[in-house]
Amino acid sequence: RKEVEQDPGPFNVPEGATVAFNCTYSNSASQSFFWYRQDCRKEPKLLMSVYSSGNEDGRFTAQLNRASQYISLLIRDSKLSDSATYLCVVNQNINDYKLSFGAGTTVTVRA
Amino acid sequence: NAGVTQTPKFQVLKTGQSMTLQCAQDMNHEYMSWYRQDPGMGLRLIHYSVGAGITDQGEVPNGYNVSRSTTEDFPLRLLSAAPSQTSVYFCAVRDRALASPLHFGNGTRLTVT
Repeated sequence: RKEVEQDPGPFNVPEGATVAFNCTYSNSASQSFFWYRQDCRKEPKLLMSVYSSGNEDGRFTAQLNRASQYISLLIRDSKLSDSATYLCVVNQNINDYKLSFGAGTTVTVRA
Repeated sequence: NAGVTQTPKFQVLKTGQSMTLQCAQDMNHEYMSWYRQDPGMGLRLIHYSVGAGITDQGEVPNGYNVSRSTTEDFPLRLLSAAPSQTSVYFCAVRDRALASPLHFGNGTRLTVT
Protein backbone atom coordinates (compact mmCIF):
# COMPACT_ATOMS: atom_id res chain seq x y z
CA ARG A 1 0.00 0.00 0.00
CA LYS A 2 1.28 3.47 -0.88
CA GLU A 3 2.00 5.79 2.02
CA VAL A 4 -0.29 8.51 0.67
CA GLU A 5 -3.02 7.80 -1.86
CA GLN A 6 -5.27 10.12 -3.79
CA ASP A 7 -8.00 9.66 -6.35
CA PRO A 8 -6.29 11.00 -9.49
CA GLY A 9 -9.57 12.25 -10.98
CA PRO A 10 -10.00 14.19 -13.11
CA PHE A 11 -12.91 15.93 -11.47
CA ASN A 12 -14.67 18.00 -14.12
CA VAL A 13 -17.06 20.47 -12.56
CA PRO A 14 -18.99 23.53 -13.77
CA GLU A 15 -18.24 26.96 -12.38
CA GLY A 16 -20.03 27.52 -9.10
CA ALA A 17 -20.17 23.84 -8.19
CA THR A 18 -18.77 22.22 -5.07
CA VAL A 19 -16.10 19.57 -5.43
CA ALA A 20 -14.55 17.43 -2.72
CA PHE A 21 -11.94 14.72 -2.65
CA ASN A 22 -9.99 12.70 -0.13
CA CYS A 23 -6.49 11.53 0.56
CA THR A 24 -5.69 8.46 2.65
CA TYR A 25 -2.46 7.89 4.56
CA SER A 26 -1.02 4.66 5.85
CA ASN A 27 0.75 5.65 9.08
CA SER A 28 -1.58 6.25 11.99
CA ALA A 29 1.20 8.19 13.76
CA SER A 30 1.24 10.89 11.06
CA GLN A 31 1.31 14.33 12.59
CA SER A 32 1.19 17.05 9.95
CA PHE A 33 -1.00 17.37 6.91
CA PHE A 34 -1.04 19.82 4.05
CA TRP A 35 -2.81 20.50 0.78
CA TYR A 36 -0.72 21.93 -2.05
CA ARG A 37 -1.82 23.22 -5.41
CA GLN A 38 0.22 22.65 -8.57
CA ASP A 39 -0.39 24.28 -11.94
CA CYS A 40 0.85 22.61 -15.09
CA ARG A 41 4.26 21.39 -13.80
CA LYS A 42 5.03 24.62 -12.02
CA GLU A 43 6.23 24.39 -8.46
CA PRO A 44 3.72 23.15 -5.86
CA LYS A 45 2.39 25.94 -3.67
CA LEU A 46 0.96 25.56 -0.20
CA LEU A 47 -2.82 25.88 -0.26
CA MET A 48 -3.45 25.18 3.39
CA SER A 49 -2.33 23.19 6.39
CA VAL A 50 -4.88 20.78 7.84
CA TYR A 51 -5.60 21.03 11.53
CA SER A 52 -7.18 18.41 13.78
CA SER A 53 -10.39 20.36 14.21
CA GLY A 54 -10.68 21.12 10.51
CA ASN A 55 -10.12 24.53 9.01
CA GLU A 56 -11.42 26.86 6.39
CA ASP A 57 -9.75 29.39 4.14
CA GLY A 58 -12.26 31.27 2.05
CA ARG A 59 -13.89 28.78 -0.30
CA PHE A 60 -11.61 25.94 0.77
CA THR A 61 -12.32 23.62 3.70
CA ALA A 62 -9.95 20.94 4.93
CA GLN A 63 -10.85 18.13 7.30
CA LEU A 64 -8.85 15.45 9.09
CA ASN A 65 -10.32 12.09 10.05
CA ARG A 66 -7.76 10.30 12.19
CA ALA A 67 -9.95 7.26 12.83
CA SER A 68 -10.20 6.47 9.13
CA GLN A 69 -6.80 7.98 8.29
CA TYR A 70 -7.80 10.43 5.62
CA ILE A 71 -7.87 14.14 4.96
CA SER A 72 -10.28 15.89 2.66
CA LEU A 73 -10.46 19.10 0.67
CA LEU A 74 -13.71 20.77 -0.31
CA ILE A 75 -13.89 23.65 -2.76
CA ARG A 76 -17.09 25.68 -2.77
CA ASP A 77 -18.28 27.98 -5.55
CA SER A 78 -15.60 26.70 -7.95
CA LYS A 79 -13.83 29.23 -10.15
CA LEU A 80 -12.07 28.62 -13.47
CA SER A 81 -8.86 29.55 -11.66
CA ASP A 82 -9.28 26.59 -9.30
CA SER A 83 -8.35 24.25 -12.17
CA ALA A 84 -5.15 22.60 -10.99
CA THR A 85 -3.71 19.46 -9.48
CA TYR A 86 -4.11 19.24 -5.71
CA LEU A 87 -1.40 17.39 -3.81
CA CYS A 88 -1.88 15.78 -0.42
CA VAL A 89 1.24 15.95 1.73
CA VAL A 90 1.79 14.16 5.03
CA ASN A 91 4.54 14.13 7.63
CA GLN A 92 4.38 10.50 8.70
CA ASN A 93 7.14 10.40 11.25
CA ILE A 94 7.48 12.84 14.11
CA ASN A 95 11.26 12.31 14.09
CA ASP A 96 11.65 12.83 10.37
CA TYR A 97 11.72 15.97 8.28
CA LYS A 98 10.63 14.12 5.17
CA LEU A 99 7.14 14.58 3.82
CA SER A 100 5.19 12.01 1.80
CA PHE A 101 3.35 13.15 -1.32
CA GLY A 102 0.27 11.83 -2.98
CA ALA A 103 0.27 11.69 -6.77
CA GLY A 104 -2.33 14.45 -6.96
CA THR A 105 -5.99 14.95 -7.80
CA THR A 106 -6.74 16.89 -10.98
CA VAL A 107 -9.64 19.33 -10.91
CA THR A 108 -10.93 21.04 -14.05
CA VAL A 109 -13.53 23.76 -13.68
CA ARG A 110 -15.44 24.52 -16.89
CA ALA A 111 -17.36 27.64 -17.81
CA ASN B 1 13.43 37.96 0.32
CA ALA B 2 13.74 35.46 -2.54
CA GLY B 3 12.83 32.29 -0.58
CA VAL B 4 14.16 29.35 -2.61
CA THR B 5 16.07 30.10 -5.81
CA GLN B 6 16.89 27.47 -8.40
CA THR B 7 19.17 27.91 -11.38
CA PRO B 8 19.10 27.33 -14.26
CA LYS B 9 15.40 27.34 -15.20
CA PHE B 10 16.02 25.29 -18.34
CA GLN B 11 18.89 23.07 -19.44
CA VAL B 12 19.58 20.74 -22.34
CA LEU B 13 22.37 18.19 -21.98
CA LYS B 14 23.81 15.51 -24.17
CA THR B 15 24.06 11.97 -22.81
CA GLY B 16 27.19 11.62 -20.70
CA GLN B 17 27.59 15.31 -19.85
CA SER B 18 27.67 16.44 -16.26
CA MET B 19 26.12 19.46 -14.68
CA THR B 20 25.10 20.98 -11.36
CA LEU B 21 21.64 22.27 -10.50
CA GLN B 22 21.84 25.05 -7.97
CA CYS B 23 19.51 25.65 -5.05
CA ALA B 24 19.87 28.54 -2.63
CA GLN B 25 17.61 29.62 0.21
CA ASP B 26 17.45 32.74 2.36
CA MET B 27 14.90 31.31 4.81
CA ASN B 28 17.52 29.83 7.19
CA HIS B 29 15.76 26.46 7.16
CA GLU B 30 17.64 23.34 8.18
CA TYR B 31 15.99 20.88 5.83
CA MET B 32 16.68 21.04 2.10
CA SER B 33 15.67 18.47 -0.48
CA TRP B 34 15.60 17.67 -4.18
CA TYR B 35 12.63 16.13 -5.98
CA ARG B 36 12.05 15.11 -9.55
CA GLN B 37 8.67 15.06 -11.22
CA ASP B 38 7.90 13.14 -14.38
CA PRO B 39 4.72 13.33 -16.48
CA GLY B 40 1.87 11.50 -14.81
CA MET B 41 3.90 10.78 -11.72
CA GLY B 42 4.13 12.35 -8.33
CA LEU B 43 7.13 14.02 -6.77
CA ARG B 44 9.95 11.62 -5.96
CA LEU B 45 12.62 12.46 -3.40
CA ILE B 46 16.19 12.26 -4.72
CA HIS B 47 18.38 13.46 -1.84
CA TYR B 48 17.88 15.53 1.26
CA SER B 49 19.84 17.27 4.00
CA VAL B 50 18.94 18.12 7.59
CA GLY B 51 21.82 20.53 8.04
CA ALA B 52 25.23 21.59 6.84
CA GLY B 53 27.50 18.58 6.42
CA ILE B 54 24.62 16.08 6.55
CA THR B 55 23.04 14.48 3.49
CA ASP B 56 21.03 11.34 2.87
CA GLN B 57 19.45 9.44 0.03
CA GLY B 58 15.82 9.61 -0.87
CA GLU B 59 13.73 7.35 -3.04
CA VAL B 60 15.61 7.73 -6.36
CA PRO B 61 19.25 8.73 -5.64
CA ASN B 62 21.07 6.83 -8.40
CA GLY B 63 22.94 9.06 -10.83
CA TYR B 64 22.87 12.09 -8.53
CA ASN B 65 25.23 13.51 -5.92
CA VAL B 66 24.68 16.24 -3.37
CA SER B 67 26.67 18.14 -0.78
CA ARG B 68 25.72 20.66 1.88
CA SER B 69 28.61 22.84 2.93
CA THR B 70 26.44 25.79 4.05
CA THR B 71 22.93 26.27 5.38
CA GLU B 72 22.00 28.26 2.29
CA ASP B 73 23.10 26.04 -0.61
CA PHE B 74 22.27 22.51 -1.68
CA PRO B 75 23.54 21.73 -5.20
CA LEU B 76 22.49 18.62 -7.09
CA ARG B 77 25.07 17.10 -9.41
CA LEU B 78 24.38 14.86 -12.36
CA LEU B 79 27.56 12.90 -12.91
CA SER B 80 26.86 11.46 -16.37
CA ALA B 81 23.49 12.53 -17.71
CA ALA B 82 21.13 9.92 -19.17
CA PRO B 83 17.87 10.39 -21.09
CA SER B 84 16.05 8.83 -18.09
CA GLN B 85 17.04 11.92 -16.12
CA THR B 86 14.94 14.15 -18.34
CA SER B 87 12.56 15.65 -15.81
CA VAL B 88 11.53 18.71 -13.85
CA TYR B 89 13.60 19.13 -10.71
CA PHE B 90 12.39 20.96 -7.63
CA CYS B 91 14.35 22.05 -4.62
CA ALA B 92 12.31 22.38 -1.41
CA VAL B 93 13.11 23.54 2.11
CA ARG B 94 11.37 23.44 5.45
CA ASP B 95 11.87 24.42 9.05
CA ARG B 96 12.35 21.82 11.78
CA ALA B 97 8.97 22.57 13.37
CA LEU B 98 6.58 19.66 12.93
CA ALA B 99 3.87 21.76 11.35
CA SER B 100 6.23 23.54 8.99
CA PRO B 101 5.33 23.14 5.30
CA LEU B 102 7.72 22.69 2.40
CA HIS B 103 8.65 25.73 0.34
CA PHE B 104 9.56 25.03 -3.27
CA GLY B 105 11.82 26.69 -5.79
CA ASN B 106 10.55 27.44 -9.30
CA GLY B 107 12.02 24.29 -10.76
CA THR B 108 14.64 23.35 -13.36
CA ARG B 109 13.44 21.75 -16.57
CA LEU B 110 16.14 19.37 -17.78
CA THR B 111 16.23 17.57 -21.11
CA VAL B 112 18.89 14.97 -21.84
CA THR B 113 19.25 14.00 -25.50
